[in-house]
Amino acid sequence: EIVLTQSPGTLSLSPGERATLSCRASQSVSSSNLAWYQHKPGQAPRLLIYAATSRATGTPDRFSGSGSGTDFTLTISRLEPEDFAVYYCQQYDRSPPRLTFGGGTKVEIK
Amino acid sequence: QITLKESGPTLVKPTQTLTLTCTFSGFSLSTSGVGVGWIRQPPGKALEWVALIYWDDDKRFSPSLKRRLTITKDTSKNQVVLTMTNMNPVDTATYYCAHFEDYYDSSGRYYYSGLDVWGQGTTVTVSS
Repeated sequence: EIVLTQSPGTLSLSPGERATLSCRASQSVSSSNLAWYQHKPGQAPRLLIYAATSRATGTPDRFSGSGSGTDFTLTISRLEPEDFAVYYCQQYDRSPPRLTFGGGTKVEIK
Repeated sequence: QITLKESGPTLVKPTQTLTLTCTFSGFSLSTSGVGVGWIRQPPGKALEWVALIYWDDDKRFSPSLKRRLTITKDTSKNQVVLTMTNMNPVDTATYYCAHFEDYYDSSGRYYYSGLDVWGQGTTVTVSS
């Protein structure tokens, strides 16, 4: 079973700053199956990045994904007020099919 | 436009069975490569995968919940139904359903969409 560990647990930053969020897998995962989500209180999670680096429809270009193997990163180049939220990485296994979520990183206003 | 919406009871008693329905539009769950997932979030905790159902009726469950879960689809009604038996207060959570696609295209390239469209979620409290 693959475990996804996200760090840091909380990131305190100011609007305009750069945010770097880490997702580490306990074993190598296919980049094709790695996604990132944004989750705000009272709302459904929103897909930001799929296939590790591809922005989903409507994702602003200040969000970028990178990485391969066991280490993946979500970068927000310049934080906007609406970006303060919890972010989750998620991995999909095809054989046998299953989903795994990381524990989340909260990006809060400093 | 793809939409999904969860429905079901807001309160269940311990040991009861929970039945949740995901009603969707904008796609068919009989189209090759399409799936619906259930994900939950207990209060103050992270997202947790619950179950998957695919276009070909393949079904997969979280190992920790597998013995308690059933998932079915009704393609004529555009619905997916999740049942969870023997509910416990630790199952208190917001439950979401979400659409995804998983397939190889004509050139052999693999594609996984991520959970690209989510329902609004339904909150279930387990309490006597």
